[in-house]
Amino acid sequence: AQTVTQSQPEMSVQEAETVTLSCTYDTSENNYYLFWYKQPPSRQMILVIRQEAYKQQNATENRFSVNFQKAAKSFSLKISDSQLGDTAMYFCAFMKQGGATNKLIFGTGTLLAVQP
Amino acid sequence: DSGVTQTPKHLITATGQRVTLRCSPRSGDLSVYWYQQSLDQGLQFLIQYYNGEERAKGNILERFSAQQFPDLHSELNLSSLELGDSALYFCASSVVAGQGNYGYTFGSGTRLTVV
Repeated sequence: AQTVTQSQPEMSVQEAETVTLSCTYDTSENNYYLFWYKQPPSRQMILVIRQEAYKQQNATENRFSVNFQKAAKSFSLKISDSQLGDTAMYFCAFMKQGGATNKLIFGTGTLLAVQP
Repeated sequence: DSGVTQTPKHLITATGQRVTLRCSPRSGDLSVYWYQQSLDQGLQFLIQYYNGEERAKGNILERFSAQQFPDLHSELNLSSLELGDSALYFCASSVVAGQGNYGYTFGSGTRLTVV
């Protein structure tokens, strides 16, 4: 069974600074997807960024980028130029590729507070 | 608006009661997923339906059941409710099962409080 671990329950960063959230996962699969979801105080789940395991290039979406280390089973999220609106719970998630089901397996989340 | 509609947004009910949560997936999406988010357990996968058929089951209690109807909307039924069932219940949808590379689209959730 796959597991996702986020070892930082809470983090804090000053506005305009850079912060990195950690995520590790355990799987015997070779083909899979990894995601970061953001959950602001509104509780809505918002997709931030995704990575396909077969791609070596790290995904980037504006101020958000990942450091994907497949051999180490590590998938960290870097937020540059942090903004107050980035304050949220961030969840790392794993999805096996293919098959009849594609359930997302989530980590326990990291609560990020951006300080003015 | 994500395109996934969940009703009701809030629900308060007593222990022992039964409730039904409703989800309408995004237009064109055939797969529906239900997740439970409790304060101390993060997001737990409950069940997945694809085009009316059950595809996967997670840690769903026997007191809980779900179905997906021909119009693709889904309902999650929770019965004999206990205090510990208080949680945020999310519905999500995706286009097809097995091709999840774009992730899910989540609804805004139903906040269930059992008193």
